[in-house]
Amino acid sequence: NAGVTQTPKFRILKIGQSMTLQCAQDMNHNYMYWYRQDPGMGLKLIYYSVGAGITDKGEVPNGYNVSRSTTEDFPLRLELAAPSQTSVYFCASVEHYSNQPQHFGDGTRLSIL
Amino acid sequence: RKEVEQDPGPFNVPEGATVAFNCTYSNSASQSFFWYRQDCRKEPKLLMSVYSSGNEDGRFTAQLNRASQYISLLIRDSKLSDSATYLCVVENTGNQFYFGTGTSLTVIP
Repeated sequence: NAGVTQTPKFRILKIGQSMTLQCAQDMNHNYMYWYRQDPGMGLKLIYYSVGAGITDKGEVPNGYNVSRSTTEDFPLRLELAAPSQTSVYFCASVEHYSNQPQHFGDGTRLSIL
Repeated sequence: RKEVEQDPGPFNVPEGATVAFNCTYSNSASQSFFWYRQDCRKEPKLLMSVYSSGNEDGRFTAQLNRASQYISLLIRDSKLSDSATYLCVVENTGNQFYFGTGTSLTVIP
């Protein structure tokens, strides 16, 4: 049981490039989330999804897009990378019942130069 | 006002000490509460859920005070391996999770 899998683990982008951060979970969780974490800061929610075909903005969605075509996958896309998007990105999932903790992927460290 | 607030520390304690962290939350309707541990910007890992009656897991004790809207984590007999950042997490309705900025703990030999 792999849990939540994120790829890539590290990436360096040039300003203006685009890329997709992949996230997959094999626990049949309906809810999935994308967070970013800047140095010395807590996790900030970028986007989340309550099920296939349904996504919604979090606290810091600007510059990102998501899709949820299947229960398992929740990719995060950066269209025009900017230095302010240098961060560590975490994907998480949870069962839709309350009182259940989130499961996190290992994270993707992204640098925009 | 932030949804979740924590004292960032750092807390530097000797091995064997007892240390306590507090966390306050702003939404009185918050449903679930958790403490996560995070090492060197690796992924957060669940340390323990926090139940209304309080709960204990080995050297770790979590308490919830709904009236005052805070949760606490007590670590007894601190080990070097306890050095990490401890994140307070609150779940509101609709599976919305809010994270504190974390409290840094360093256990000193």
